[in-house]
Amino acid sequence: GAGVSQSPSNKVTEKGKDVELRCDPISGHTALYWYRQRLGQGLEFLIYFQGNSAPDKSGLPSDRFSAERTGESVSTLTIQRTQQEDSAVYLCASSRTTHYEQYFGPGTRLTVT
Amino acid sequence: KQEVTQIPAALSVPEGENLVLNCSFTDSAIYNLQWFRQDPGKGLTSLLLIQSSQREQTSGRLNASLDKSSGRSTLYIAASQPGDSATYLCAVCEAGTALIFGKGTTLSVSS
Repeated sequence: GAGVSQSPSNKVTEKGKDVELRCDPISGHTALYWYRQRLGQGLEFLIYFQGNSAPDKSGLPSDRFSAERTGESVSTLTIQRTQQEDSAVYLCASSRTTHYEQYFGPGTRLTVT
Repeated sequence: KQEVTQIPAALSVPEGENLVLNCSFTDSAIYNLQWFRQDPGKGLTSLLLIQSSQREQTSGRLNASLDKSSGRSTLYIAASQPGDSATYLCAVCEAGTALIFGKGTTLSVSS
C-alpha cells in the first residue's frame, strides 16, 4: 500500500486480557516507531526498530508491553494483562531510515473496560 | 531532557487571516523538526520537515522556520481556510531518533 496501515482500528478489551496491535510500514522503510497518545496528552514514544539492530525499548512504560518486527516488514505491539490506564490511541510510524521524515498510520484506539 | 512547548494551545480565527503557530524546544542539539496536522479521530499528516541546517521550508500556503540556536520554530499559515481546522503538532528529532512532541495547537477557522 501507499501508506502505513494499522489494525485493528478500534479494540475494546476487558481489564486483564492481552491485546495485539499490528502495523504495516511503507514498503522499503527500514525504521519503524510506536507511539501512544492518551486522551488530552501529547504523543509518547514507546519503541523503535531500525533494520536488524536491537530495538530501542526505552519508552516502554512497563514489562507488560513488548513489540516485535519481522525483518523490515510488519510489527506487532503486545500489551499483556491490560489495565485501564493503557486506554489510548496507539500510533505507528515508519521512515526511510534513521532521522528521515516519519509517516504515521491512522492508529488503533484501545479501550480497556 | 528535551521538552517541546507549543503556544497557544488553541486559536480561533476568521477565514482569510494569516496566522502563526509557535513551537519552542529546550535542547538545540536536534537533527530536524517536523510539523504535523492531526484531524479528530485520525492519524498524523506530515506537513513540513526542516533539517537542523535549514532555516525554513515552504509548502503551498505553509511556511515553517527554524532558529535552532534559540530553540524556536514557527509555522505560518497564509490565507487560512475552514479546511485548515485541525490540531497542529511540532516534534523534534534528537540523536535518539524518536520524535519528541509538543502538545499541539488546536486551530479553528470559521467561515
